[in-house]
Amino acid sequence: AQSVSQHNHHVILSEAASLELGCNYSYGGTVNLFWYVQYPGQHLQLLLKYFSGDPLVKGIKGFEAEFIKSKFSFNLRKPSVQWSDTAEYFCAVKNDYKLSFGAGTTVTVRA
Amino acid sequence: SAVISQKPSRDICQRGTSLTIQCQVDSQVTMMFWYRQQPGQSLTLIATANQGSEATYESGFVIDKFPISRPNLTFSTLTVSNMSPEDSSIYLCSVEGTSAGELFFGEGSRLTVL
Repeated sequence: AQSVSQHNHHVILSEAASLELGCNYSYGGTVNLFWYVQYPGQHLQLLLKYFSGDPLVKGIKGFEAEFIKSKFSFNLRKPSVQWSDTAEYFCAVKNDYKLSFGAGTTVTVRA
Repeated sequence: SAVISQKPSRDICQRGTSLTIQCQVDSQVTMMFWYRQQPGQSLTLIATANQGSEATYESGFVIDKFPISRPNLTFSTLTVSNMSPEDSSIYLCSVEGTSAGELFFGEGSRLTVL
């Protein structure tokens, strides 16, 4: 079965700091990769996705992620976070019809 | 994108009772998905609901406990039967967007079982 691992449970950082959230998955075949974000009191929203092509994908709000096939990784990055980036971030991997989620990382940005 | 409405948004229930959660989508969709997000945990797929056929349940979930209806292409219900405190969770309805694999989510139904 597919498994998705997110390395950090909770990350606390200051505004303007750089953010990187790790994500690894177990499936060796063709996968589609996603990062979802859940802001406080809101529903899950898609941040970015990778299907094929350039392994460096850019999403909304200045986020980007890099797919490294050899490492089964899809890490999320943002060079300079803002207070409004405080949220929970979920990595997700799809193979076949099923979307599997990581445990999530809570990011707290201090002003 | 798709707009998904869930009812109820939250509820407090007694042990042994059942609760039905409704999910309404603003467009016709083939597949609807029901997820559970237990406190402090990630989202787990319960089942996939296709219109006109039986829902497909994931390992660890059974129809008797989580019966699902899918009467048309814009609506589905999930019932949590014979509830226990372990069923306290957020239940989320989702549908697939035009980009395969991209899911849109409702705001969820937060269920607390006493």
